[in-house]
Amino acid sequence: QVQLVQSGAEVKKPGASVKVSCKASGYTLTTHYMHWVRQAPGQGLEWMGITNPNDGGTAYAQKFQGRVTMTSDTSTSTVYMELSSLRSEDTAMYYCARTPLAGNLNFDFWGQGTLVTVSS
Amino acid sequence: QSALTQPASVSGSPGQSITISCTGTSSDVGSYNLVSWYQQYPDKAPKLMISEVSKRPSGVSDRFSGSKSGNTASLTISGLQAEDEGDYYCCSYAGSSTVIFGGGTKLTVL
Repeated sequence: QVQLVQSGAEVKKPGASVKVSCKASGYTLTTHYMHWVRQAPGQGLEWMGITNPNDGGTAYAQKFQGRVTMTSDTSTSTVYMELSSLRSEDTAMYYCARTPLAGNLNFDFWGQGTLVTVSS
Repeated sequence: QSALTQPASVSGSPGQSITISCTGTSSDVGSYNLVSWYQQYPDKAPKLMISEVSKRPSGVSDRFSGSKSGNTASLTISGLQAEDEGDYYCCSYAGSSTVIFGGGTKLTVL
């Protein structure tokens, strides 16, 4: 069965960086795009960006350009999201979610979420 | 890029039908039939309920349906049940490999 298992909760100080992992199982990583979506406490879903594990291609939401990096390691079926220059507003649950390469926008499987807390 | 516009809340009694709207622009909802809808319970990951405007994934109740007209997509839930209570989000492709979500709608079953 398909599973996306994310790394554990993180507490970071303002200005630091955080790297969250998302390990895929039950399917071949390269058959799907992987997205990162975050949700601040009590707020809605916010799309951060997408990575293609086949070629490392990425596209990021304008809001995160220059601060976010998404990478893949096909040997371990793991995708990573690194966010730098953290500020308190980055405190949120971060989710990875896949969509098929076929071109639809079906986020059919999601990770369990990783809570990132930014606090001095 | 602003979020797609959804009502903050909707409510209905068991057995009734409700509709949640999702308004975007000609650059996102209006340009692509790539609108999907997600249900989210507190402290849980979202779940896909409708894909490509009106397709229902396997396992999703046929009480859920989707449609689109111009720049506005809609999710309709018929025969409301207590288990439908939660948050609902629309999502659209916005071109250049980017995606945009709606602000979310809290559904209360009275």
